[in-house]
Amino acid sequence: GAGVSQSPRYKVAKRGQDVALRCDPISGHVSLFWYQQALGQGPEFLTYFQNEAQLDKSGLPSDRFFAERPEGSVSTLKIQRTQQEDSAVYLCASSLQGYSNQPQHFGDGTRLSIL
Amino acid sequence: AQSVTQLDSHVSVSEGTPVLLRCNYSSSYSPSLFWYVQHPNKGLQLLLKYTSAATLVKGINGFEAEFKKSETSFHLTKPSAHMSDAAEYFCVVSVAAGNKLTFGGGTRVLVKP
Repeated sequence: GAGVSQSPRYKVAKRGQDVALRCDPISGHVSLFWYQQALGQGPEFLTYFQNEAQLDKSGLPSDRFFAERPEGSVSTLKIQRTQQEDSAVYLCASSLQGYSNQPQHFGDGTRLSIL
Repeated sequence: AQSVTQLDSHVSVSEGTPVLLRCNYSSSYSPSLFWYVQHPNKGLQLLLKYTSAATLVKGINGFEAEFKKSETSFHLTKPSAHMSDAAEYFCVVSVAAGNKLTFGGGTRVLVKP
């Protein structure tokens, strides 16, 4: 596709359930990023992949959060034993090579609501 | 460490009048700076970027921004607001280490007819 694609667009889960969020980056983009955007705030960095290697996961809020990109293209963000504070929009972005002067291209996000 | 401060959480302008969104940054290294726009329930769209070339940067939809190192500022302007400019705007900084983006808190722009 032409842009970054995320699915599902909306996800409602009960507290304690596990969820999986998917990101399809722009074809050929080496770098992939996940961000969390709480209501009324700017996005905050979660984790970063260069191809299949997870180079930075310093932003993951707890060990309940796990991300993977096994073949260097599609990525999945998994949240185990969800809690209400996990409710947010999760944004995925990709860039061609990951240099700091290259813009990141964002998907429309997955809005996660934990009941 | 790097940080971004957007000085106004809300800006209200009349259609056809200028828009000014203020941004100050802090960075230990030479930063790359971006402005992104987010319309409701949508992802972030890049408006423009500064990457140590010309200090006056032109972007899409008539927006431009000026990088002022002495003031550590990167304010966004548009000469004439349009109704379609109503959205949330984010000033963003990136440095070489880690490649992650650091976002300001956002400025919500309201355009009155």
